Amino acid sequence: GNSVTQMEGPVTLSEEAFLTINCTYTATGYPSLFWYVQYPGEGLQLLLKATKADDKGSNKGFEATYRKETTSFHLEKGSVQVSDSAVYFCALWRRTGNQFYFGTGTSLTVIP
Amino acid sequence: ETGVTQSPTHLIKTRGQQVTLRCSSQSGHNTVSWYQQALGQGPQFIFQYYREEENGRGNFPPRFSGLQFPNYSSELNVNALELDDSALYLCASSLFSDMQASYEQYFGPGTRLTVT
Repeated sequence: GNSVTQMEGPVTLSEEAFLTINCTYTATGYPSLFWYVQYPGEGLQLLLKATKADDKGSNKGFEATYRKETTSFHLEKGSVQVSDSAVYFCALWRRTGNQFYFGTGTSLTVIP
Repeated sequence: ETGVTQSPTHLIKTRGQQVTLRCSSQSGHNTVSWYQQALGQGPQFIFQYYREEENGRGNFPPRFSGLQFPNYSSELNVNALELDDSALYLCASSLFSDMQASYEQYFGPGTRLTVT
């Protein structure tokens, strides 16, 4: 079946540290991949996306590359800020059957 | 531009009852999806509505049903409520076309349903 697996949290980093949140997926065909972010007290927001292999999505200093060979879409940021503290969700969309799958989320806390 | 809104914010129901949750899409969007998010979990796709018809469904029983109206607002109905239905219910709207390769959804703040 189709699924998304994220690294378990919570993750705690000091400000300006390097961030990686791992995401791997299981799906047939070529799904579109997404990272969503949920800041405290707010709804889910799209952070970045990639629609085909080797695409790199980027936004607000975050990046993720669609790796077909490793079925991965890891989220990275070179220097995190306190304001990046949130829960991050990896997700995929399969056009066939119009199905959406989210990971369980990874909580990130950045301390000054 | 008005974002996605949901009502009510919170709701408490008793097991066996029925509930209706409501969602107003973001302006210009033609598709609405519903998700169930249990505490500490990621959103689980319930179904999507496009052109007032169900256009994709996740692994949820038939007692979860929905409607989409001509103004693209939507309702989620859950019959015969069970304790495990307690969750945050999220609505997401998007602009869908058959030719697009990607899919960007815009989420509402959710309705917190508690079943006792």
